[in-house]
Amino acid sequence: DGGITQSPKYLFRKEGQNVTLSCEQNLNHDAMYWYRQDPGQGLRLIYYSQIVNDFQKGDIAEGYSVSREKKESFPLTVTSAQKNPTAFYLCASSIEGGSFVGWNEQFFGPGTRLTVL
Amino acid sequence: AQSVTQPDIHITVSEGASLELRCNYSYGATPYLFWYVQSPGQGLQLLLKYFSGDTLVQGIKGFEAEFKRSQSSFNLRKPSVHWSDAAEYFCAVGDRSNDYKLSFGAGTTVTVRA
Repeated sequence: DGGITQSPKYLFRKEGQNVTLSCEQNLNHDAMYWYRQDPGQGLRLIYYSQIVNDFQKGDIAEGYSVSREKKESFPLTVTSAQKNPTAFYLCASSIEGGSFVGWNEQFFGPGTRLTVL
Repeated sequence: AQSVTQPDIHITVSEGASLELRCNYSYGATPYLFWYVQSPGQGLQLLLKYFSGDTLVQGIKGFEAEFKRSQSSFNLRKPSVHWSDAAEYFCAVGDRSNDYKLSFGAGTTVTVRA
């Protein structure tokens, strides 16, 4: 079945540690996205990538890093510089990027809940 | 700056009753509009979208939404709610001025009572 997988489902981190969240898609989509979701705030865009080996900062990129070495993979690293990383993280993809990044339907993964201990 | 407002944080509705969720946006041009639904601890699923044309759009699960340019609104409706419709609903907007990126509202949680 085609779709987006995120792992792990739950992740616990000690303060000062970097952690990497996995996102894989087998939909052959060009564009991929990372969102952060906090209660009562909706989704906020962290990073997005329209094509392999290229990515752009979203609205809240500070303390996060990404890579896009393969079309199907877009891992997110939450660094120790992120002061309040406890949140639900959602990865999404859409058919094409470029000038149509926004209007194409975004397909979402099941999410990773990160908790800082 | 772009903004998306969902005025209702939480709505409780009886099973079989009608449901309307409000969404207002502030954009300069004609935006691209979406409604997503999220079950607890899950990702988001697209219910429907509006790009142009007929201002009343039909979606999955019996939902529909109406785009009203004069009111900058894109309200979601369902004539008869089922218990399985209990979830959180997000309105999202994208337009050219923001590189087509989506901006999401804060969400409305729907509770369905028997």
